Amino acid sequence: GEDVEQSLFLSVREGDSSVINCTYTDSSSTYLYWYKQEPGAGLQLLTYIFSNMDMKQDQRLTVLLNKKDKHLSLRIADTQTGDSAIYFCAATSGSARQLTFGSGTQLTVLP
Amino acid sequence: DAGVIQSPRHEVTEMGQEVTLRCKPISGHDYLFWYRQTMMRGLELLIYFNNNVPIDDSGMPEDRFSAKMPNASFSTLKIQPSEPRDSAVYFCASSWASGGELFFGEGSRLTVL
Repeated sequence: GEDVEQSLFLSVREGDSSVINCTYTDSSSTYLYWYKQEPGAGLQLLTYIFSNMDMKQDQRLTVLLNKKDKHLSLRIADTQTGDSAIYFCAATSGSARQLTFGSGTQLTVLP
Repeated sequence: DAGVIQSPRHEVTEMGQEVTLRCKPISGHDYLFWYRQTMMRGLELLIYFNNNVPIDDSGMPEDRFSAKMPNASFSTLKIQPSEPRDSAVYFCASSWASGGELFFGEGSRLTVL
């Protein structure tokens, strides 16, 4: 089955860019997602990219997809303290196209 | 729509007791998912339903766990008997399509003493 890997922690200074990386194993994954989880809350969709795209930009967010290496990244420009949260990468897999989530990356933004 | 609604938000119980978690999906969503989140194991898919029918329950840890979806607007996850290792946050999520965006509830934090 699909395996999605992420680093567990990332710390950045306020105003800097954050880059969160993710790798997945199923080359047939159609959609790749980034979800954000704030303390005490459920996951919320942040952005997604379709597998035939290399890049997607949405305001401060940039998603890069390298299909050859099965590598996905999320860049947050001008990171703010409100961006502190856990970020989950997720990929669709299998005939049912169910989502497999990574372990989540805890982003801490330092003032 | 109010989003996915879960209850209770917090539950503290003693080992051996029955626990029932409830979920109301977003109206019109045909898929409903139950996830469990722990520090050690991250986010695990327990079971999902399509049109009220359980499709994949391979993530259910053991026979102490059961889930039902009697109609399109309600689902339960039951643990009987509960054990301390069941302590976790249980999330319900719904989706209008397979592989589509998941909408998560706020979660039910379960503590089994």
